[in-house]
Amino acid sequence: DGGITQSPKYLFRKEGQNVTLSCEQNLNHDAMYWYRQDPGQGLRLIYYSQIVNDFQKGDIAEGYSVSREKKESFPLTVTSAQKNPTAFYLCASNRGNQPQHFGDGTRLSIL
Amino acid sequence: GQQVMQIPQYQHVQEGEDFTTYCNSSTTLSNIQWYKQRPGGHPVFLIQLVKSGEVKKQKRLTFQFGEAKKNSSLHITATQTTDVGTYFCAGVPGSARQLTFGSGTQLTVLP
Repeated sequence: DGGITQSPKYLFRKEGQNVTLSCEQNLNHDAMYWYRQDPGQGLRLIYYSQIVNDFQKGDIAEGYSVSREKKESFPLTVTSAQKNPTAFYLCASNRGNQPQHFGDGTRLSIL
Repeated sequence: GQQVMQIPQYQHVQEGEDFTTYCNSSTTLSNIQWYKQRPGGHPVFLIQLVKSGEVKKQKRLTFQFGEAKKNSSLHITATQTTDVGTYFCAGVPGSARQLTFGSGTQLTVLP
């Protein structure tokens, strides 16, 4: 989606390794979100942040960490504690109760 | 946790046939949003319904929000191959603070 950039598009993780997924937005949105998508399971919320320097756990936060040091950036770290990290990760942002805008996603696989 | 249920999970139709996907929540939704995700892509916002009993149309797509604000439907008339994708509903159920996505309906249109 225009305005939200996720990188990389594909990422491979070795056992015991932490990896960080990037999400940047230039829409001046206050809120940002990370979702995990597995086949047939829709989108599940990992973490969200409604303001800089603050973030909240979503439904499946275990094994993940985030930071929100800048309004435009919300990186997600998939830690080695996440035992089943293979999935499609989507970042989104919005303002207030407006619809969410999504990035193109990152596909993470285990080597 | 609180869920937004969506059926069917998969639907195959012949081009020109109609298609409907249904979304249900056990608790009242403040509003309902619908998104479309093309194969290999990311969810794109289609529409938001807010009022009880609301009906909105976008060309061949008709969206309804139930009187009790607990269910919603998306109906596509005379499907085309461009309609292929997964359709998600999303709402904020009950005391939840964030958007909850349904599991999606994957539509295949056979030419």
